[in-house]
Amino acid sequence: DTEVTQTPKHLVMGMTNKKSLKCEQHMGHRAMYWYKQKAKKPPELMFVYSYEKLSINESVPSRFSPECPNSSLLNLHLHALQPEDSALYLCASSQPLDRRHTGELFFGEGSRLTVL
Amino acid sequence: KQEVTQIPAALSVPEGENLVLNCSFTDSAIYNLQWFRQDPGKGLTSLLLIQSSQREQTSGRLNASLDKSSGRSTLYIAASQPGDSATYLCAVIPVETSGSRLTFGEGTQLTVNP
Repeated sequence: DTEVTQTPKHLVMGMTNKKSLKCEQHMGHRAMYWYKQKAKKPPELMFVYSYEKLSINESVPSRFSPECPNSSLLNLHLHALQPEDSALYLCASSQPLDRRHTGELFFGEGSRLTVL
Repeated sequence: KQEVTQIPAALSVPEGENLVLNCSFTDSAIYNLQWFRQDPGKGLTSLLLIQSSQREQTSGRLNASLDKSSGRSTLYIAASQPGDSATYLCAVIPVETSGSRLTFGEGTQLTVNP
């Protein structure tokens, strides 16, 4: 099973709403990631969790709040977003980068977010 | 700062043609290099991963090579098919990173015409 599952596939929200994106993997990976992708651009890293601890925050605005409840789940809580935050949000997982693992990343299908 | 460049940005070929996609990176101190495929509006699918100690990897009609010293990788697609139409992205992981902080190229948009 090399699947990363993201829900919802599509989300429309107003600037005052609070919503969450969810990601799940059952590959036993101990690193999970959130990426943001705008049209015709490569993905941009937002957050990295390694062994359920936040290890990288790429200076993401606080209106995006990540959470890693356990080694299989990753959430992205959204609050007071702006229209320019509309994008495809991708979750990925891998084994942590060390001598035993290649660090190969596996991505989910993404959640298409539209902020009105 | 690592920079990754993919050439060409777009490519259109007739079905059956063999083709090469190019990826170059500025810092040769990489942990590995990964090629992905992305269909419109979809997530990224991992195609091949080449570790820094390897020269190439093969999967079916795909062959990826790595020349770390010159900062180059190529993805060779044999006997292209319309189903190969997608955007192809290469990404590198620098040795110095504390996590899998991939640096992506801008991608090559491939169209294979029947």
